[in-house]
Amino acid sequence: AQSVSQHNHHVILSEAASLELGCNYSYGGTVNLFWYVQYPGQHLQLLLKYFSGDPLVKGIKGFEAEFIKSKFSFNLRKPSVQWSDTAEYFCAVNAINFGNEKLTFGTGTRLTIIP
Amino acid sequence: SQTIHQWPATLVQPVGSPLSLECTVEGTSNPNLYWYRQAAGRGLQLLFYSVGIGQISSEVPQNLSASRPQDRQFILSSKKLLLSDSGFYLCAWSHRGRGSNTEAFFGQGTRLTVV
Repeated sequence: AQSVSQHNHHVILSEAASLELGCNYSYGGTVNLFWYVQYPGQHLQLLLKYFSGDPLVKGIKGFEAEFIKSKFSFNLRKPSVQWSDTAEYFCAVNAINFGNEKLTFGTGTRLTIIP
Repeated sequence: SQTIHQWPATLVQPVGSPLSLECTVEGTSNPNLYWYRQAAGRGLQLLFYSVGIGQISSEVPQNLSASRPQDRQFILSSKKLLLSDSGFYLCAWSHRGRGSNTEAFFGQGTRLTVV
C-alpha cells in the first residue's frame, strides 16, 4: 500500500529564511507527486507537480521540489520565504497502476512565517 | 472548463441521523472521484475513491459509505451518524488514465457537525 510521510508537523521561520519541507513516500512503482497548499481560510490549491522528466520541478510563488527516486523523496524548497507563505502544505502521491489510481496525502506541515 | 460542486457547505446533524453529501463534476467524463476528511493535525485522510460507476474502494473502515450512481456523481452517506463523524469533508476529482494529468481538483468542502 502506498503512504506519504511528512515529518515536519510545524515549522516556524523568519522572513527571508530558506525553507525545505520533507516528503517521503512508499510505493515501488510509477508515481505522480504533488505539493498542495492551503492558506488560512482558503481551499486546497496545487503548488507544483511531478509527472516525468526533469526531477526538479518549479511551481508557483517561487517554490520548487526535487524528486529523488532512490530516496523516495519529494522535498519542497523555497530560497527565501515571505510572511504570505504562512499556510499548511500537503505532499501527495498518486500511484499509477492501470485502473487503480489512488491519490494519497501526507498529514501536512504547518508553516508559520514570522515577520 | 471543469467544475466541481459539493453541497451542503455546512451541516449540523444529531447523533443517529442519516447523512448524504453530494458531489458532482462538470466538464469532464470518466473522472476518478475521491472523498477525503480533513482533521487538524491529521491532514487529508482518504475515505473512498472511485474509478468508475459503481466501483468504490474504501480506505478506512468506518461508519460511512460511498456510492457513484452516475459517472460524475459521488455521494457520501451514513445510516446513523456518530459524534466522531464530525469533520471537514472534501470531494475531489482527477483525470483518469496512465500517464495523464492526474492532479486532483477539490470541492469547497462540507463542515459536518454531529451533535
